[in-house]
Amino acid sequence: GESVGLHLPTLSVQEGDNSIINCAYSNSASDYFIWYKQESGKGPQFIIDIRSNMDKRQGQRVTVLLNKTVKHLSLQIAATQPGDSAVYFCAEPLPNTGNQFYFGTGTSLTVIP
Amino acid sequence: KAGVTQTPRYLIKTRGQQVTLSCSPISGHRSVSWYQQTPGQGLQFLFEYFSETQRNKGNFPGRFSGRQFSNSRSEMNVSTLELGDSALYLCASAGSYNSPLHFGNGTRLTVT
Repeated sequence: GESVGLHLPTLSVQEGDNSIINCAYSNSASDYFIWYKQESGKGPQFIIDIRSNMDKRQGQRVTVLLNKTVKHLSLQIAATQPGDSAVYFCAEPLPNTGNQFYFGTGTSLTVIP
Repeated sequence: KAGVTQTPRYLIKTRGQQVTLSCSPISGHRSVSWYQQTPGQGLQFLFEYFSETQRNKGNFPGRFSGRQFSNSRSEMNVSTLELGDSALYLCASAGSYNSPLHFGNGTRLTVT
């Protein structure tokens, strides 16, 4: 079946270090993935997405890597800042359902000043 | 462009009551989805509407229903509230198929 999961529920990093958040998926036919950031008291905020015809995509201080061979997705945050403290989710659309997405359980990132 | 707006932000209801939550999507977005978020279950899909039609439905009881109006605004209704319905209800809109969902800040429902 289709699912997305996170390797670690929590992650603590020192301010200025790089952060890596991982996600595994099981549907080899999945062709689109999204990373979201959710701060306390707010809804999930879109960070970056990637389609299966790409291995890597970069945004502002963030990079998403897609390894289709092992069905693994990662989000890298460069020079992590206190404002990056949040829960991060990966999401994957259920095939042929329009915009129905599966969300991973999330990784809580804490940035230590 | 204004984001997704959800009202109210907080609700406290008693078991057995019903509740209606409202969502205004981003202008131009015709797809509106609803998700329930709880600490134990994470984000769970409730349903998606597109052009006033329910396109997908998640695995929730019939007490959960929704609708979409011609201006793409959407409402969801929960009848005969149970304690387990306490959650953050999130609305999201999308501009097209397989494109990012844009979420509102949710309605926090507490059932006592």
